[in-house]
Amino acid sequence: DGGITQSPKYLFRKEGQNVTLSCEQNLNHDAMYWYRQDPGQGLRLIYYSQIVNDFQKGDIAEGYSVSREKKESFPLTVTSAQKNPTAFYLCAARGSGANVLTFGAGSRLTVL
Amino acid sequence: GEDVEQSLFLSVREGDSSVINCTYTDSSSTYLYWYKQEPGAGLQLLTYIFSNMDMKQDQRLTVLLNKKDKHLSLRIADTQTGDSAIYFCAETPSYIPTFGRGTSLIVHP
Repeated sequence: DGGITQSPKYLFRKEGQNVTLSCEQNLNHDAMYWYRQDPGQGLRLIYYSQIVNDFQKGDIAEGYSVSREKKESFPLTVTSAQKNPTAFYLCAARGSGANVLTFGAGSRLTVL
Repeated sequence: GEDVEQSLFLSVREGDSSVINCTYTDSSSTYLYWYKQEPGAGLQLLTYIFSNMDMKQDQRLTVLLNKKDKHLSLRIADTQTGDSAIYFCAETPSYIPTFGRGTSLIVHP
């Protein structure tokens, strides 16, 4: 089955630590996205990548970093500079037909 | 203001129709979308409509698009308790998807 795999599903972090959320796709899609979801605020774009070795900041990129070394993978690092990292993080890939997004199941990060 | 606006909550009785409304700002979006999110899960595409269409029907779902008013609606006929979820409207100007804040649909038995 084609899809997006995010891991881990749940992650706990102490303040001051960096953590990396994994996102892997086997859809052969070029474009990938990271969104943050907070209750009542919908989805906010963190970073996106249209092609391998290229990525762009979204609306709330401060305190986050990404890489896109392979088409299949788009990991997100939440750094200690992110002041309020507790949230639900969603990774998505965009297909060429009707530009539909396929989402992963999400990763919930909690800072203790 | 927000690019895509939706009301936050809708409560209906099982068997009734639900209508979720959305307004968007970017008339260049080729497609407009409805996604569904169940608790603790990612979003799943429900349906989408091409911008030159007025209506699209898919089983219990009807999407209406008013381009003049930049208004999109999703009607769910015969709403079931399994339809309880958050529904997101989205537009895709410049290939960067923009989502509304989501409408929580609560279905009472």
